Formats: sequence, C-alpha cells, structure tokens
Amino acid sequence: DAGVTQSPTHLIKTRGQQVTLRCSPKSGHDTVSWYQQALGQGPQFIFQYYEEEERQRGNFPDRFSGHQFPNYSSELNVNALLLGDSALYLCASSLREYTEAFFGQGTRLTVV
Amino acid sequence: KNEVEQSPQNLTAQEGEFITINCSYSVGISALHWLQQHPGGGIVSLFMLSSGKKKHGRLIATINIQEKHSSLHITASHPRDSAVYICAVRGSGSRLTFGEGTQLTVNP
Repeated sequence: DAGVTQSPTHLIKTRGQQVTLRCSPKSGHDTVSWYQQALGQGPQFIFQYYEEEERQRGNFPDRFSGHQFPNYSSELNVNALLLGDSALYLCASSLREYTEAFFGQGTRLTVV
Repeated sequence: KNEVEQSPQNLTAQEGEFITINCSYSVGISALHWLQQHPGGGIVSLFMLSSGKKKHGRLIATINIQEKHSSLHITASHPRDSAVYICAVRGSGSRLTFGEGTQLTVNP
C-alpha cells in the first residue's frame, strides 16, 4: 500500500499564475482533505471532498478550488497566485470520519 | 484564542529524559490526533484518541474529555524523536483543526 501520495513534491510559480496539485488517497479511503501550512505554523483546513463533492470548506478565497474523481483522487487548484500562497500543501485521506487521517508528504509551493 | 493550544512551543531535552507535551482545546470533538512532523514536511499519525489512554512503544497519549485536555508522553527520549509534534482535533466530519505544534529537540 503506497499510502497517500502527492505530486509534485516541489513547485515554483510566478505571481498571477495558476497551479494544480494532485493527491491519491490511501487504498480504501474515500475522503480527501487539503491543508495549507505556512512556515512555522500549524496546517489550516482548506476543504474536504467526499463522493466527488466539496463537503466542508475553511476560510479560503474562491481562488482555491478542488475536484475529486471517481477513483477518490483529488486535485487542488489555485488561481491568480499571490506571494502569500507560498506554503506546504498537505493532503490527508480517511474513510469518512471513522478512521484516523493519513497524510501525504506534501507539495512545497513557492510563489515568486 | 486558538481552538487548539499546545504547550510548550519549544522543548529541549537530554537523551533518556521523560517528555510531556500538552494540548488543550475549546470545542466539542469526536477525536483527537497526535501527529509527528519531520523537517521536509511529511506528517505521520501517532495516535487517534476519543477517550482514555493509548500506548505505542515509548509513546503514550492520554485524553480527558471533561477537562478538554490531552497529553503526549515520550519515555526514554532519543535524538531520533526530535521533530515537531502536533495536536489536532476532529469536529464535525473528518475536518481537523491543528495546534501550532511543539518543536522537540533531544540532545545526545
């Protein structure tokens, strides 16, 4: 079992560009959550997907959007990148709320 | 005030010492997680608790639901335990709210 996999691991983008981050959940998991972790801070909840729908959303602007596919994998899209979007983006998967969350290694996004 | 507060923020110990990290929360929860994060970012789940106490190797986690408090203990600490330890609580659904983390450094 490969666990939760995220791609890419590192990414450098320019202000104003758009970025797509990808996440494959652990086998057997159907719920994917995305978190943003700024340097030196705890992760902040962006949104959660279950059954291909956004179920919960944190306090993030509409520039942050996502998608979940029938195989439960997920994408996080960020439009009109700002310098402040530079962070580690973490994906976590679980079986609804019934199991502990498993995390990927994260994608380190740098906006220049 | 954050919904999840951890203490201390930073902790330095000598190898072999007994370590305690505390977590207090102010919201209703269905479960509490203790997580470990190494430099580079990857997060590993250590425990998921909804009551009582769990033990895994040298790690022990306890939770007191009435007092809204949890502790993570490390016995016989080792330099390889050096990492950031994060407390996270699960409210509705499986959304997690994280504390700021405790940076632990264990010196040989």
